[in-house]
Amino acid sequence: GESVGLHLPTLSVQEGDNSIINCAYSNSASDYFIWYKQESGKGPQFIIDIRSNMDKRQGQRVTVLLNKTVKHLSLQIAATQPGDSAVYFCAEKQAYSSASKIIFGSGTRLSIRP
Amino acid sequence: DTAVSQTPKYLVTQMGNDKSIKCEQNLGHDTMYWYKQDSKKFLKIMFSYNNKELIINETVPNRFSPKSPDKAHLNLHINSLELGDSAVYFCASSRTFQGEAGNTIYFGEGSWLTVV
Repeated sequence: GESVGLHLPTLSVQEGDNSIINCAYSNSASDYFIWYKQESGKGPQFIIDIRSNMDKRQGQRVTVLLNKTVKHLSLQIAATQPGDSAVYFCAEKQAYSSASKIIFGSGTRLSIRP
Repeated sequence: DTAVSQTPKYLVTQMGNDKSIKCEQNLGHDTMYWYKQDSKKFLKIMFSYNNKELIINETVPNRFSPKSPDKAHLNLHINSLELGDSAVYFCASSRTFQGEAGNTIYFGEGSWLTVV
């Protein structure tokens, strides 16, 4: 079965607050993780990624934290805006013979309250 | 300019029909993919091609047959459509087939398939 999952299927946040989206994974051999954002009617879009040799990586208004001890990944969005409304997926690289494939979690829907 | 474009965007068809979804990428990438997203938003890889060669083939019914005439195109043909095939199908591409930093997967806008 799939090894990437999410704690919460939906998250409602007040505009301007910080959002934290969590993700659990079960494959301790995974060494690369990605967060994608999918807006309504569109395809997933890359937000930020992190290698397993890091525990934190920052982008523009987003931070990804990786805790390998408990196999947990989180995406923090600072000062959440209406445009952040979307479904967020964590994804994990798994080895597949000579190639590698990206396995997606089930997604968290982020909604913004005005 | 759309990086990964797929057609049609919407497709409604009857059970038993055969249909195709076309995909093209203008990013110069070597690797292309088909993903299926169900009604619960679960996104699952179906196939991956690298330079026209099949490298990932998940447990997908034989009714689904991908074809890559060149590395910029990956089409998906579905025979004898069933109700359970209703989903959104995403084409995607990446520079190489290795999941690694800097090798972002770019997705198309999706093709909404409804089988009635």
